[in-house]
Amino acid sequence: EIVLTQSPDILSLSPGERATLSCRASQTVSSSYLAWYQQKLGQAPRLLIYGASSRATGIPDRFSGSGSGTDFTLTISRLEPEDFAVYYCQHYGSSGRSWGLTFGGGTKVAI
Amino acid sequence: QVTLRESGPALVKPTQTLTLTCTFSGFSLNTGGMCVAWIRQPPGKALEWLALIDWDDDKYYRTSLKTRLTVSKDTSKNQVVLTMTNMDPVDTATYYCARVRHGSGADHWGQGTLVTVSS
Repeated sequence: EIVLTQSPDILSLSPGERATLSCRASQTVSSSYLAWYQQKLGQAPRLLIYGASSRATGIPDRFSGSGSGTDFTLTISRLEPEDFAVYYCQHYGSSGRSWGLTFGGGTKVAI
Repeated sequence: QVTLRESGPALVKPTQTLTLTCTFSGFSLNTGGMCVAWIRQPPGKALEWLALIDWDDDKYYRTSLKTRLTVSKDTSKNQVVLTMTNMDPVDTATYYCARVRHGSGADHWGQGTLVTVSS
């Protein structure tokens, strides 16, 4: 079964700074099925990135995704006040002998 | 416009069965590549996938909860139903349904419904 480990748990930054979030898979996964989500307090998650590097509809270009194999990165080039939230990576597809969705534990981007 | 909305009881007792309904619009679960997933989030914790049903009526479940979960769809009503048996206080969480498209992730989510398990 695939396990996604996100780091750091908390990233303390200021508006205007660059944020780099890491997601490591316990085994090689297809980039085609790696996604990133943003979740603000009291809200449902919002899809940011799919296929490891494709931005979802309406997502600003300050958000970018990269990576392959077991290591993936979400970068926010210049933090806006509305970007302070929790971010999750997710894999969807085969996981060992089963198929499903797997979420990482999340990274909180805090002011 | 794609929308999803979860409905069901806010409070269930331990050992009871939870039934949640996801009512959606703006897409068809008969379309190839379309899926609906159930995901939950205990208070203050991470997201946890539970189940998924696809356009071909294939069903997938979280391995650790497989014996307690059942997902089904009614395409005529644009609804997906999740049942979870033998509820426990640790199952207290906000339960979300989301549209998943193969290759595109979970691109639309419901607002979520908080389910509390308590006697």
